[in-house]
Amino acid sequence: DVKVTQSSRYLVKRTGEKVFLECVQDMDHENMFWYRQDPGLGLRLIYFSYDVKMKEKGDIPEGYSVSREKKERFSLILESASTNQTSMYLCASKGREFVNTQYFGPGTRLTVL
Amino acid sequence: ILNVEQSPQSLHVQEGDSTNFTCSFPSSNFYALHWYRWETAKSPEALFVMTLNGDEKKKGRISATLNTKEGYSYLYIKGSQPEDSATYLCASPGGKLIFGQGTELSVKP
Repeated sequence: DVKVTQSSRYLVKRTGEKVFLECVQDMDHENMFWYRQDPGLGLRLIYFSYDVKMKEKGDIPEGYSVSREKKERFSLILESASTNQTSMYLCASKGREFVNTQYFGPGTRLTVL
Repeated sequence: ILNVEQSPQSLHVQEGDSTNFTCSFPSSNFYALHWYRWETAKSPEALFVMTLNGDEKKKGRISATLNTKEGYSYLYIKGSQPEDSATYLCASPGGKLIFGQGTELSVKP
């Protein structure tokens, strides 16, 4: 069974804290993604990676960075969390081909106080 | 820039009604069209991947059609049930998957 896991389902942090969200996939997928989902705004792509140590900015990269040191793991970093980063964060992975399905993790609900 | 649009934004139907909604995408450089279902408190799950013009896919009461020449796909649900309530997303690859905003379906018993 394919699996994308995220380190936490719920997280509460304070403004200014450094936050790490971890994502692991066991499907040997080349591509991994970080999205945030906010009411009325759908899924918005923050960053994606198509290979180890490679990263590309998505639609809303400001305030975030990412790390992909191993193929199975893709980390999202909030260098200094702010209240406007309170959101649901979804990780996903996908094989290289255009027809490959994207598999999503369960999501992390992050609240920044 | 590849733009994927869905309509309507939301839909409220009664149990037993059949319904359909639309995904439109640029028809040039088409590779594939993905449909996902996203239930509340769960992760999006893949429904269909469609690649050929005229393609029709079916999964139980849900089916989808594809017109790559005019750049649209329809998703149909026959005899909607409350468990069909979810947001339905379509996406088209352009290096990365570009998602539409989704159609939020609510089926009342």
